[in-house]
Amino acid sequence: QVQLQESGPGLVKPSETLSLTCTVSGGSISSYYWSWIRQPPGKGLEWITYISYTGSIKSNPSLKSRLSISIYTSQNQFSLRLTSVTAADTAVYYCAAQYCGGDCYFNYWGQGTLVTVSS
Amino acid sequence: QSVLTQPPSVSGAPGQRVTISCTGSSSNIGAGYDVHWYQHLPGTAPKLLIYGNSNRPSGVPDRFAGSKSGTSASLAITGLQAEDEADYYCQSYDSSLSGWVFGGGTKLTVL
Repeated sequence: QVQLQESGPGLVKPSETLSLTCTVSGGSISSYYWSWIRQPPGKGLEWITYISYTGSIKSNPSLKSRLSISIYTSQNQFSLRLTSVTAADTAVYYCAAQYCGGDCYFNYWGQGTLVTVSS
Repeated sequence: QSVLTQPPSVSGAPGQRVTISCTGSSSNIGAGYDVHWYQHLPGTAPKLLIYGNSNRPSGVPDRFAGSKSGTSASLAITGLQAEDEADYYCQSYDSSLSGWVFGGGTKLTVL
């Protein structure tokens, strides 16, 4: 059973950079694509980006210019950086293992971490 | 506003059957992309409930069933139990947006 755990600051100032790390346990990092998904308060889920163990990346076009995602296979971790944040980036951020065999779905999720953008 | 449309809430008594709809368009569900469903209790990790329109992962009871037709999909829950009270989300791929999209979520209340 794959388990994921998000970590990072819960409070980020406007215009600064949001940085989160996801630690993966219980599964091979080569078996999935590794994704970030967020949920603003009172709103629905929004897929952000994914990275494969080979470094292949796909991102939400609406966020792509502010995003970077990295993978650290030896540490079973992957990370998200979102620059120039505003209050609209306040959300619960989830990391997830995305299985793609034809179509793609999110097999396993972390519990999520709330990131608030505020001065 | 979410790309996939779900009713904000549904409810049912224990033992009853409820359905949750997920309506998309010609660039996602109608284009042939699969629909997947997740169950989420706030404060916990969302859980994959149905993948590939109608397939259940190991451990998911057969009380949960998914279907898809045209530009819509549905999740049916039979023999409703108190533990089913949660938020449910549908998900697919959208070719116009070049990414994976979700419904706005449906809160299931067991009366």
